[in-house]
Amino acid sequence: NAGVTQTPKFQVLKTGQSMTLQCAQDMNHNSMYWYRQDPGMGLRLIYYSASEGTTDKGEVPNGYNVSRLNKREFSLRLESAAPSQTSVYFCASSDPGLGWDIQYFGAGTRLSVL
Amino acid sequence: GENVEQHPSTLSVQEGDSAVIKCTYSDSASNYFPWYKQELGKRPQLIIDIRSNVGEKKDQRIAVTLNKTAKHFSLHITETQPEDSAVYFCAASIRSGGYQKVTFGTGTKLQVIP
Repeated sequence: NAGVTQTPKFQVLKTGQSMTLQCAQDMNHNSMYWYRQDPGMGLRLIYYSASEGTTDKGEVPNGYNVSRLNKREFSLRLESAAPSQTSVYFCASSDPGLGWDIQYFGAGTRLSVL
Repeated sequence: GENVEQHPSTLSVQEGDSAVIKCTYSDSASNYFPWYKQELGKRPQLIIDIRSNVGEKKDQRIAVTLNKTAKHFSLHITETQPEDSAVYFCAASIRSGGYQKVTFGTGTKLQVIP
């Protein structure tokens, strides 16, 4: 099992460019999450998907959109990147509906917006 | 919403000494408290967790305590080793139906000096 896989690992964008961060999990989890991590601020939730076909905003959703493509895949899109979106992005999955609350994280995407 | 405060932000200990990291939370409905370890450039990984119906849990050199009345929980690492050097995050979680809402603390950078 690969667990949670994120692509790409690194990306540099110019202000105004768009891109999509991909995330896939092979653990058959229902719930998936996107976080951003900034120095001194911990992990902040951008969007989550409690189950296939549903998505909801987290703490810091502005400037982002998401798609839960199927049970395995949850993508994060930046339509018009801004320097404030320079961060490390983590995807995670869990299955609290089955009694498992542990979140499993991907390896992260380090994004720089110039 | 939930607010999790974590202290200290940095902690240096001599190898073999103990380290204690403390967190407080605001929402009495939180019922699951995981601790994650993040090594430099790596993904957060769960090291120990505790549920609201338990006051203490221990796993080898790591222990977590929970005081529901005071809304605080702590991570204790005994006999610290250089490989314990990392950033540690506490979190408070509420399960609502099939969705798990997790709020992270801002992290503690632990340095173990050989």
